[in-house]
Amino acid sequence: GNSVTQMEGPVTLSEEAFLTINCTYTATGYPSLFWYVQYPGEGLQLLLKATKADDKGSNKGFEATYRKETTSFHLEKGSVQVSDSAVYFCALSGYSTLTFGKGTMLLVSP
Amino acid sequence: EAGVAQSPRYKIIEKRQSVAFWCNPISGHATLYWYQQILGQGPKLLIQFQNNGVVDDSQLPKDRFSAERLKGVDSTLKIQPAKLEDSAVYLCASSAVGTGESTGELFFGEGSRLTVL
Repeated sequence: GNSVTQMEGPVTLSEEAFLTINCTYTATGYPSLFWYVQYPGEGLQLLLKATKADDKGSNKGFEATYRKETTSFHLEKGSVQVSDSAVYFCALSGYSTLTFGKGTMLLVSP
Repeated sequence: EAGVAQSPRYKIIEKRQSVAFWCNPISGHATLYWYQQILGQGPKLLIQFQNNGVVDDSQLPKDRFSAERLKGVDSTLKIQPAKLEDSAVYLCASSAVGTGESTGELFFGEGSRLTVL
């Protein structure tokens, strides 16, 4: 079956540091890949997505590249801000819905 | 555009009691999902509706959980009787993309946090 594995958190960084959150997946076929973000007290919202191999999704300074050869979709940002503190979920699409990873909490201090 | 609405936001009950959660999806979205998110884990799909029909309920504990989507709009998720392990956040999401197509963006509500004592 489909599964997603994320690095465990919390990830603690200082403002303007470089961020990487690792995500690897197991899936049949050619799924689409997603990063969702959950800010404190809010619902999950889509951050970025990639629908085929070598695609790069980007939004709000975050990027992730769909790597089929390594079955990975790592999330990166060059310079994090305090407002990026949230829980980040990697997900992949199945037949008609999403399979999520366990989430990685990011804490950014001033 | 109004988002996905859920209620109540918080509920505390004792084990063996019952509880119901309500969801109003984004207007025009044909697909509605209920996810369970236990603390420290990612959301797990409980049930998916396409209009008012069930697409996938393979992970719904049917001995205690039930869900319906009358008229293909609002949905209700019920738990009866509740167990301690049902303590979680219940997320409702909706999507404009139908079954069998590439999954598009899911729009999530803020969730309903259930504590079972």
